[in-house]
Amino acid sequence: TQLLEQSPQFLSIQEGENLTVYCNSSSVFSSLQWYRQEPGEGPVLLVTVVTGGEVKKLKRLTFQFGDARKDSSLHITAAQPGDTGLYLCAFERRGSYIPTFGRGTSLIVHP
Amino acid sequence: GAVVSQHPSWVICKSGTSVKIECRSLDFQATTMFWYRQFPKQSLMLMATSNEGSKATYEQGVEKDKFLINHASLTLSTLTVTSAHPEDSSFYICSARDEGARGEKLFFGSGTQLSVL
Repeated sequence: TQLLEQSPQFLSIQEGENLTVYCNSSSVFSSLQWYRQEPGEGPVLLVTVVTGGEVKKLKRLTFQFGDARKDSSLHITAAQPGDTGLYLCAFERRGSYIPTFGRGTSLIVHP
Repeated sequence: GAVVSQHPSWVICKSGTSVKIECRSLDFQATTMFWYRQFPKQSLMLMATSNEGSKATYEQGVEKDKFLINHASLTLSTLTVTSAHPEDSSFYICSARDEGARGEKLFFGSGTQLSVL
């Protein structure tokens, strides 16, 4: 059973379009993390959201943590081919720094 | 910034042979390293936690005799896939914790693609 459900699983869009990916759970988390993984590479941490309702921006990426700290979203504005990759949300196991990942959203941005 | 080096990047081997994958923390010491496995278009699944100077902790369902982990120094952990079979073909990723960094950050290697023929 996946504690973190990510949707959509796959997304194929044209350059310049906007998109939102979601990370949902029935559990409450102290924080959630978003990673991006490019093919043949390890994941790279993008952001950690900690406070319910928090919004963080990273250039064209906007991350939001739900008020109840059960869900999070990632919005990309004017997507570019360089945004192509697997976007993973993760939570850290209680009492450790071990991330447990969702299934991820595989994004392809066509030029 | 902190770097985790993983070697080799890819390996092709015959069924029945053993393959060793190395994970090194290049500019920090790591008492704890983690090994993940990832199938195409799937998420990373934690296999085991590698502890320097002691036995690794394996996740449920992971065969410890199949996936041998050695963490003999503060900068090196190795994963050996013994008697590899085609179903072991996967992308293996290690990560290491920089305990000296603010917030104890976790860094990932670039992964090893294993193909067993």
